[in-house]
Amino acid sequence: NFILTQPHSVSESPGKTVTISCTRSSGSVASNYVQWYQQRPGRAPTAVIYEDNHRPSGVPDRFSGSIDSSSNSASLTISGLLTDDEADYYCQSYDAGHPHWVFGGGTKLTVL
Amino acid sequence: EVQLVQSGAEVKKPGESLKISCKGSGYTFTRYWIGWVRQMPGKGLEWMGIIYPGDSDTRYSRSFQGQVTISVDKSISTAYLQWSSLEASDTAMYYCARVSNLQTYYFDYWGQGTLVTVSS
Repeated sequence: NFILTQPHSVSESPGKTVTISCTRSSGSVASNYVQWYQQRPGRAPTAVIYEDNHRPSGVPDRFSGSIDSSSNSASLTISGLLTDDEADYYCQSYDAGHPHWVFGGGTKLTVL
Repeated sequence: EVQLVQSGAEVKKPGESLKISCKGSGYTFTRYWIGWVRQMPGKGLEWMGIIYPGDSDTRYSRSFQGQVTISVDKSISTAYLQWSSLEASDTAMYYCARVSNLQTYYFDYWGQGTLVTVSS
């Protein structure tokens, strides 16, 4: 079993770039894909990145994802921040050891 | 257009039973796993379990095994999440979500959520 650890909150100014990390506690981050979901207040989550670095249709290319084996973590980077990007962001992966979907604790992004 | 439409908000008393639903449309319902995700007030997302509508194969998170039952009626393209005896700690928003495939384990479509409130 592993857990995914995210910073509780991040903040940045409009137009800037922010990166949210997601660190896997054990096992390789590269062994299962990582997804990222955006959840605006009062709304259901929607995916912004799947399979580590792919964007679903309709997600702007300001959103990008990556993984780093050296730090055993995944990252979501949002460039050209808009106030509309304010939301909670969750990473998610899969634990094949005990079939199990794993979510990170979520990161609250504030754009101010 | 793929859609998952969930049943409406529920207010229940402790000890009561409840079954909430998630109806899929716009795709072949029997070919995609459906998962359930809990979000307690002000908290993060927790995976509860999944079901394959084609053969009702069901997997549960250890945290929810024995606490809930996931089922499906493929004739009406609907998945269910049920409790036999609710507790106040079951108060949460519950989402269903479609799993895109079992190589990615990616939830590609989500329902709008069902708010369950358990209070005496």
